[in-house]
Amino acid sequence: KNEVEQSPQNLTAQEGEFITINCSYSVGISALHWLQQHPGGGIVSLFMLSSGKKKHGRLIATINIQEKHSSLHITASHPRDSAVYICAVVSGSRLTFGEGTQLTVNP
Amino acid sequence: GAGVSQSPRYKVAKRGQDVALRCDPISGHVSLFWYQQALGQGPEFLTYFQNEAQLDKSGLPSDRFFAERPEGSVSTLKIQRTQQEDSAVYLCASSSDRTGLKTQYFGPGTRLLVL
Repeated sequence: KNEVEQSPQNLTAQEGEFITINCSYSVGISALHWLQQHPGGGIVSLFMLSSGKKKHGRLIATINIQEKHSSLHITASHPRDSAVYICAVVSGSRLTFGEGTQLTVNP
Repeated sequence: GAGVSQSPRYKVAKRGQDVALRCDPISGHVSLFWYQQALGQGPEFLTYFQNEAQLDKSGLPSDRFFAERPEGSVSTLKIQRTQQEDSAVYLCASSSDRTGLKTQYFGPGTRLLVL
């Protein structure tokens, strides 16, 4: 069992839909990152959070430390949101990554 | 305002060949990380530097993998006697933070294919 698990692995949505990607982890962490990876490999950090909720534009990230669970929400999804979304937890000095969720938003 | 750069972007090697992958972090960033990402998988931690000190190399898969950052800026990941299973994207990231808790800025990666 991986230390960081994401669901779903693949997600297809229609433009405008509300999207949720989930991340569960089994280790003690000091923080959790949500990352976006576009085709070609470039990774961009979306959020880092250690408690509560953060919002940036149409993106919202929440974390429940007690339940060891985080969610990434995208409101009013758009085709340009199509990418792989990766959850990564900070434990010690290293990041441990989930396998990613491939999101495709169709026009 | 350059970001993290990596070179080469693509490398094709024959099995048994040695390769060297370079990472130029954001100027002044203390922390530097190397990750390996196999096709369809999330990245996996390889090693971590704080300035020139390699504080964690527990993720290096074998003694064929070696990383250095001699002056605390540019880093090189060297893979000796490459094997087909080494084929992956090698990502470098840097951070201004000593603890790794702050945002890591990723380079575009080097895609290595071992034939």
